[in-house]
Amino acid sequence: SQKIEQNSEALNIQEGKTATLTCNYTNYSPAYLQWYRQDPGRGPVFLLLIRENEKEKRKERLKVTFDTTLKQSLFHITASQPADSATYLCASYNQGGKLIFGQGTELSVKP
Amino acid sequence: NAGVTQTPKFRILKIGQSMTLQCAQDMNHNYMYWYRQDPGMGLKLIYYSVGAGITDKGEVPNGYNVSRSTTEDFPLRLELAAPSQTSVYFCASRGQDNQPQHFGDGTRLSIL
Repeated sequence: SQKIEQNSEALNIQEGKTATLTCNYTNYSPAYLQWYRQDPGRGPVFLLLIRENEKEKRKERLKVTFDTTLKQSLFHITASQPADSATYLCASYNQGGKLIFGQGTELSVKP
Repeated sequence: NAGVTQTPKFRILKIGQSMTLQCAQDMNHNYMYWYRQDPGMGLKLIYYSVGAGITDKGEVPNGYNVSRSTTEDFPLRLELAAPSQTSVYFCASRGQDNQPQHFGDGTRLSIL
C-alpha cells in the first residue's frame, strides 16, 4: 500500500541550530509533497508544498527538498527558535486522490 | 474570514449514545474531509466529499456517517458510540487540484 513514513522519535535541538526532519514515501510516486505544522490542541497548518520537479523550495527559515531517487523529502528549519517547537507532518495525495499523512515528528527547540 | 469551524470542541459520550460533529467552512471549497487522530498517530481519513450531495468512504468509515447538503457544511454522525471512537476529530477543506487542506481545530471526543 502507498505509505508516508516519518521518524516517530522526537527531535530535540538547541536554539540556533538547524532542524532536519525526514519524510519517506513508498509504493507510489507523488507529484507533490506538503508539509504541515501542528501545535498541541490545534489542527494542522499548511507550511510548504514542493513539486517533484522542484528539488528544493524555500520560505523564510524553512527549506524543503524532494529527492525522487531516494523517495524522500527533507524539511529544514534554520536558526531554530523555541517557537518552532511543534509536530511537523508530511503529506501527499495518493493515486486515489486522497491526502495521506505521515505520523508526524515532534520537534523540541531548547533555549 | 473564519476558515473551517468545528463544534463542539470537547464532548464526553456514554457507550451507545449518538451525536453529530459539526463542520462548516466559508471558503467556498468543494472538497471537505473528516479525519481522526489518535495519540501519537497520523491522521486517518474517515469520509470525504467532493461537492454538495457527493460523499465517499475513506480509510476508517465504520461506525460513522456523513451528509453534504450544502457546500458549507459537512457534519459527521456517530450512531452508536464505542470506546474505540475516542479520538480527536478534524475537519478540513480545500480548493481545486492538489491544493493544501485547511483544518479546523478539532473536536476532542471521549466515550466512556
